[in-house]
Amino acid sequence: GAVVSQHPSWVICKSGTSVKIECRSLDFQATTMFWYRQFPKQSLMLMATSNEGSKATYEQGVEKDKFLINHASLTLSTLTVTSAHPEDSSFYICSAIGRAYEQYFGPGTRLTVT
Amino acid sequence: AQKITQTQPGMFVQEKEAVTLDCTYDTSDPSYGLFWYKQPSSGEMIFLIYQGSYDQQNATEGRYSLNFQKARKSANLVISASQLGDSAMYFCAMREGADSSYKLIFGSGTRLLVRP
Repeated sequence: GAVVSQHPSWVICKSGTSVKIECRSLDFQATTMFWYRQFPKQSLMLMATSNEGSKATYEQGVEKDKFLINHASLTLSTLTVTSAHPEDSSFYICSAIGRAYEQYFGPGTRLTVT
Repeated sequence: AQKITQTQPGMFVQEKEAVTLDCTYDTSDPSYGLFWYKQPSSGEMIFLIYQGSYDQQNATEGRYSLNFQKARKSANLVISASQLGDSAMYFCAMREGADSSYKLIFGSGTRLLVRP
């Protein structure tokens, strides 16, 4: 089946720094990818839709200047958390739309901001 | 209003027995899709089963079946012959057809614990 990878799988960063998370579709091209965040014991909340070659579409309440999304190619989308704060600590999951419009999820990235 | 509602925060089931996880949804779009995902402690989202709003029959995938009751707007997941490895969080999700971006809306999840 289709595979989506994320890198890194976990990261610890200091408050005020920026961290980049990569999402790759390994065996298919994905014009659309999604970024979710999940707090402990909660559901997945969609942050933004990443479209190859165009600007991301952010969900209401998500700061686009804080969570920078770049979908530079058909197999790679990146999420950069800028000026990270402890409240940004969360589990970030990406997904990609495959050929049959199914959604394939990455394994997630656990971010801890100290 | 909640689009996807999962009213069971936690469920227990005895190994080898069947269990039903509830999911109700709310949409005015006649075209939509319903999904169930399993999330073990590792965090990965594992696709289990899909039901389209126009599908005439209930979806089945191995030990998973979806009890789709359109008039009641419910899409309960039935796991037969539970195994210890089924212990995980289970999320119901909906994709509305009018939204061509294929966004998924997730329910709050149900934590299933299979007892030996």
